[in-house]
Amino acid sequence: EIVLTQSPATLSLSPGERATLSCRASQSLSSYLAWYQQKPGQAPRLLIYDASNRAAGIPARFSGSGSGTDFTLTISSLEPEDFAVYYCQQRTNWPRTFGQGTKVEIK
Amino acid sequence: EVQLVESGGGLVQPGGSLRLSCAASGFTFSTYEMNWVRQAPGKGLEWVAYISSSAAIIYYADSVKGRFTISRDNAKNSLYLQMNSLRAEDTAVYYCARYSYGFNDIWGQGTVVTVSS
Repeated sequence: EIVLTQSPATLSLSPGERATLSCRASQSLSSYLAWYQQKPGQAPRLLIYDASNRAAGIPARFSGSGSGTDFTLTISSLEPEDFAVYYCQQRTNWPRTFGQGTKVEIK
Repeated sequence: EVQLVESGGGLVQPGGSLRLSCAASGFTFSTYEMNWVRQAPGKGLEWVAYISSSAAIIYYADSVKGRFTISRDNAKNSLYLQMNSLRAEDTAVYYCARYSYGFNDIWGQGTVVTVSS
């Protein structure tokens, strides 16, 4: 099973700041990694797929990068609605696995 | 509007059974693979089961293998999860999700399953 480790667990930032979230895999994923956003009481929403492709309707301030075992989600300038939990997920092998999440909270 | 709506959750005793349903609308259900994903209270996301568009290929997480059964009825645009021998650790919000190019691009709102005596 591929283990995804996200860091940091919590990121405390102010609106307008840049957020950088990390996801590290226990083995190479090529570029087969996605990022999801989840707000309290809501279902997850797909943000990024295949490491760097924005899903439909996702603002340009969200960007993804990386390949192999190290991936990054960047939010260029935090909007109030961006404070949420973010998960990475791999599609290289079964079982599909998620990281444990990074909470982006208001400082 | 593309939509998934789960139902069937509730309170069940340990060892009991429950059948979850997911009604799809706004897209051609029969051409999409589907997943069930769950989230225990205060925890992260856990993939549970996968089914291909024709139901020819099915996968389960080890934690539910032998107890849960995923199925679909393409004529009814519906996905199902039969859950037997339920345990306290199965308590979670259960989401159905459309699986497209390897990722879950559309999610339902979730249905709550509580396993407790």
